[in-house]
Amino acid sequence: DIQMTQSPSTLSASVGDRVTITCRASQSISSWLAWYQHKPGRAPKLLIYKASSLESGVPSRFSGSGSGTEFTLTISSLQPDDFATYYCQQYNNYSTFGQGTKLEMK
Amino acid sequence: EVQLVESGGGLVEPGRSLRLSCTASGFTFGDDAMGWVRQAPGKGLEWVGFIRSKASGGTTEYAASVKGRFTISRDDSKSIAYLQMNSLKTEDSALYYCTRGNGGNTRSVRNWGQGTLITVSS
Repeated sequence: DIQMTQSPSTLSASVGDRVTITCRASQSISSWLAWYQHKPGRAPKLLIYKASSLESGVPSRFSGSGSGTEFTLTISSLQPDDFATYYCQQYNNYSTFGQGTKLEMK
Repeated sequence: EVQLVESGGGLVEPGRSLRLSCTASGFTFGDDAMGWVRQAPGKGLEWVGFIRSKASGGTTEYAASVKGRFTISRDDSKSIAYLQMNSLKTEDSALYYCTRGNGGNTRSVRNWGQGTLITVSS
């Protein structure tokens, strides 16, 4: 099984900050990685697929990078609506989610 | 507008079976993979499994934790995906999300339902 490890588990930030979340795979997954935003009581939302492709309708302040085993999700200028939990997902071999990163207001 | 509506959740005793349904609308159902992801209370997301589109072979894959107990199927004529859950365990208690794949042969998820809650308890 491929394990996905996100860091940090919790991130405190302020509106306007640039934030980065990291996701590491236990073995190479090429670029088969997606990022999701999840708010309590809501369905998760796809942000990024294939490591760096922005899903239609997602603001351009979100970006993804990486390949192989190390990936990042960057929010260039944090907005009030961005406080949520973020998950990475590998889909190279079956599928596994990271444990999540809770982005909270500082 | 894409909609995925889950049904069939509820309280069930350990060892029993339950079938979830996911009724889809707003897209060409047969073109995309369909799947299920769950979230136990206070925990993160866990991939359960998926079924490819017929054009991609219609085959299924499952997480190790449910393989042999859960079965995913689809009825393209009705735009419904199913999750048959047998030999349920207390650790299967979770909110189950129906998912639409980002294509016919991918485990990444373009759309999610609102979820249906399964509680396995005696």
